[in-house]
Amino acid sequence: DGGITQSPKYLFRKEGQNVTLSCEQNLNHDAMYWYRQDPGQGLRLIYYSQIVNDFQKGDIAEGYSVSREKKESFPLTVTSAQKNPTAFYLCASSLDSMRTEAFFGQGTRLTVV
Amino acid sequence: GESVGLHLPTLSVQEGDNSIINCAYSNSASDYFIWYKQESGKGPQFIIDIRSNMDKRQGQRVTVLLNKTVKHLSLQIAATQPGDSAVYFCAENYAGTASKLTFGTGTRLQVTL
Repeated sequence: DGGITQSPKYLFRKEGQNVTLSCEQNLNHDAMYWYRQDPGQGLRLIYYSQIVNDFQKGDIAEGYSVSREKKESFPLTVTSAQKNPTAFYLCASSLDSMRTEAFFGQGTRLTVV
Repeated sequence: GESVGLHLPTLSVQEGDNSIINCAYSNSASDYFIWYKQESGKGPQFIIDIRSNMDKRQGQRVTVLLNKTVKHLSLQIAATQPGDSAVYFCAENYAGTASKLTFGTGTRLQVTL
């Protein structure tokens, strides 16, 4: 089955630690995205990548980092510099841009303890 | 499930009735719009999209209406079913930022039996 997979579904982190969220897609999509979702708010763009080895900051990139070494994979690292990391993180992919249908993963719920 | 949209506006509809979910968008330059459905604890799922050269687009049991004059978008769901219960987001995009979708805050649809 083609799709986009995020892991883990739930993640707990101690304050001061970095943590990496996984996102893999087998849709052969060029573009991949990371969004953050907080209660009562819509999705906000953290980072996006339109092609391998290239990525751009979104609206709330501070405290996050990404890499795009392979077309299928777009991991997100939440660093200790992120002041309020507890949130629901969503990865998405699309053929080439957000002007076509994008497919979302099932999300990772990150909680700082 | 995830604590998505704790304080979202809520629309309650009886099973079998039609639902109308409204969305006001912000950017007059936006020319591409999408509706997503998000069930608790899951990632958003594409429902239907529309480009600004259209006023109306129909899918299976869903219709999207676009009024560019007042920057308003609506999603109509015919014969609402319990499985339609979810949070619905509209998102906008314009060609100048092809990779960036701006999401609304969402509306929770509750279908009563």
